[in-house]
Amino acid sequence: DTEVTQTPKHLVMGMTNKKSLKCEQHMGHRAMYWYKQKAKKPPELMFVYSYEKLSINESVPSRFSPECPNSSLLNLHLHALQPEDSALYLCASSQDTWSPTYNEQFFGPGTRLTVL
Amino acid sequence: TQLLEQSPQFLSIQEGENLTVYCNSSSVFSSLQWYRQEPGEGPVLLVTVVTGGEVKKLKRLTFQFGDARKDSSLHITAAQPGDTGLYLCAGALHNAGNMLTFGGGTRLMVKP
Repeated sequence: DTEVTQTPKHLVMGMTNKKSLKCEQHMGHRAMYWYKQKAKKPPELMFVYSYEKLSINESVPSRFSPECPNSSLLNLHLHALQPEDSALYLCASSQDTWSPTYNEQFFGPGTRLTVL
Repeated sequence: TQLLEQSPQFLSIQEGENLTVYCNSSSVFSSLQWYRQEPGEGPVLLVTVVTGGEVKKLKRLTFQFGDARKDSSLHITAAQPGDTGLYLCAGALHNAGNMLTFGGGTRLMVKP
């Protein structure tokens, strides 16, 4: 099973709303990632969790707040977003972050976020 | 300037033609991955190459990792409309915790 699931598939929110994106994997992977992808661009790394601890924050604004409740789950809490935050948000996982052989990242289907 | 330069950016060909997509860098990668992405979906991992000079085949797709592990290519033989999509290369830099650096992507359209 190489599946990463993400919910919801689509999300429309206002600038004053609070919402959360969810990601789940059951491959026993210990690294999980959040990416943001704008149209016709490659994914941009936002956050990396390694063994349930935040290891990388790519200078993401505080209106995005990640959370890793356990090794299978990853959340992204959203608050006071701007219209320019509209994008496809992708979750990925890999076995770990430090071995070339085990850094294969498997992506979820993404959440299409629209901020009005 | 992107760390990983991918070319061409766009490619529109007829069914049955062959094509090659290139990823080039001045940096050495510990591994390199190729993904295919359809609109509104997440990237799907096609292959990972780790060893310099490595060649991997996946049906009509042939992936090559350069001897110096700085470049890679994807060759598709007899392209089919189902090959249409965005192809992304992504290299893992060992001195960056093996985080992936993505190329700009190649948007391929195969016309029937």
